[in-house]
Amino acid sequence: AQKVTQAQTEISVVEKEDVTLDCVYETRDTTYYLFWYKQPPSGELVFLIRRNSFDEQNEIGGRYSWNFQKSTSSFNFTITASQVVDSAVYFCACKRGGSEKLVFGKGTKLTVNP
Amino acid sequence: DAGVIQSPRHEVTEMGQEVTLRCKPISGHNSLFWYRQTMMRGLELLIYFNNNVPIDDSGMPEDRFSAKMPNASFSTLKIQPSEPRDSAVYFCASSSKPGQGNQPQHFGDGTRLSIL
Repeated sequence: AQKVTQAQTEISVVEKEDVTLDCVYETRDTTYYLFWYKQPPSGELVFLIRRNSFDEQNEIGGRYSWNFQKSTSSFNFTITASQVVDSAVYFCACKRGGSEKLVFGKGTKLTVNP
Repeated sequence: DAGVIQSPRHEVTEMGQEVTLRCKPISGHNSLFWYRQTMMRGLELLIYFNNNVPIDDSGMPEDRFSAKMPNASFSTLKIQPSEPRDSAVYFCASSSKPGQGNQPQHFGDGTRLSIL
């Protein structure tokens, strides 16, 4: 069975700081997919990014970037120059290849203060 | 494009009453998921459907919970009889291309259920 651990329960930063959210996953599968979701105070869950286990290329999308390291089973998410609107709970999730079941971490609550 | 639509957004009812939550997935999506979110247990998958067929209901807490998907554009999650411990936010999500694994699930805004 898969497991996703987000060790940081809450993070508080000041606007314009960079912030990295940690995610460690456990899976025995060779093919799997990793996701980050955002849940703002309004409550909806918003898909942010997806990575495949066979593609370790890290990318940058605007103020978001991620670091996927298979050697350490980590899939960390970084927000550059944080803004107050980034305040939300961020969830990391994992899904094995061929399955529809998404396993979520407990989430990290990010507060960006002005 | 319309996202996943859930109704109602909020539901407050008394213990013992039947509760029905509704979901309309994104058009063209073949997989539909029901989740429950609580502070204690986080996000839990209750059941999911591929092409309107229930595939895995191992997350359904007990017989009081049932889910149906009569067609590709509608699903219900029913709790009968409801209990205070069922109070939670219930999310519906949908995704395309079942079996490929790499498709993200897109979530509705959720139904906040309170059982008094």
